[in-house]
Amino acid sequence: EVQLVESGGGVVRPGGSLRLSCAASGFTFDDYDMSWVRQAPGKGLEWVSGINWNGGSTAYADSVKGRFTISRDNAKNSLYLQMNSLRAEDTALYYCARDGNLGGSHPFDYWGQGSLVTVSS
Amino acid sequence: DIQMTQSPSSLSASVGDRVTITCRASQSISTYLNWYQQKPGKAPKVLIYAASSLQSGVPSRFSGSGSGTDFTLTISSLQPEDFATYHCQQSYSTPYTFGQGTKLEIK
Repeated sequence: EVQLVESGGGVVRPGGSLRLSCAASGFTFDDYDMSWVRQAPGKGLEWVSGINWNGGSTAYADSVKGRFTISRDNAKNSLYLQMNSLRAEDTALYYCARDGNLGGSHPFDYWGQGSLVTVSS
Repeated sequence: DIQMTQSPSSLSASVGDRVTITCRASQSISTYLNWYQQKPGKAPKVLIYAASSLQSGVPSRFSGSGSGTDFTLTISSLQPEDFATYHCQQSYSTPYTFGQGTKLEIK
């Protein structure tokens, strides 16, 4: 059974840092690209960042570029998101998601339960 | 960045109704369009990928169509468990972007 379990969320002051982790199991982790997707309270979904299977290629939303860094450790079946210079508008539930690469498209076919990040003074 | 616009933002319907949700991309995305269902307090679940392919395990009352810039998600006969929020997402190019969501409520 595919499982993605996020951790590391919490309350942080504006300007602070936080590191999210996502532990993957039930599939061959290094066969898949991975992403982080967030959802602010009562709002829609926002793709944050993605990384290819070996970590050699990364991409970011403009809203987090230069502040967030995505990485992975295939030996530990883990995905990470280092978040620096946090702002109130970064407050959201952060999901780890697997890129399914189905039929040439790239839907997110498995999602974690989310890790809540609250940026507040 | 590619902007995704869903309509309507909310929709009231009854069990048994046929419902259509539309999604428009700001530029052509071929068929790199995915649809998700999200229930309160839960992570999204993929329903349709590549515009019209049904994800394994998803009931056949869900269908998707379209290419280029205009796409639709159709539920042929609403069931009680279908009341949820639906999101479209383009996977043509990063940053991958989502529509704003359509909340489907019981009439």
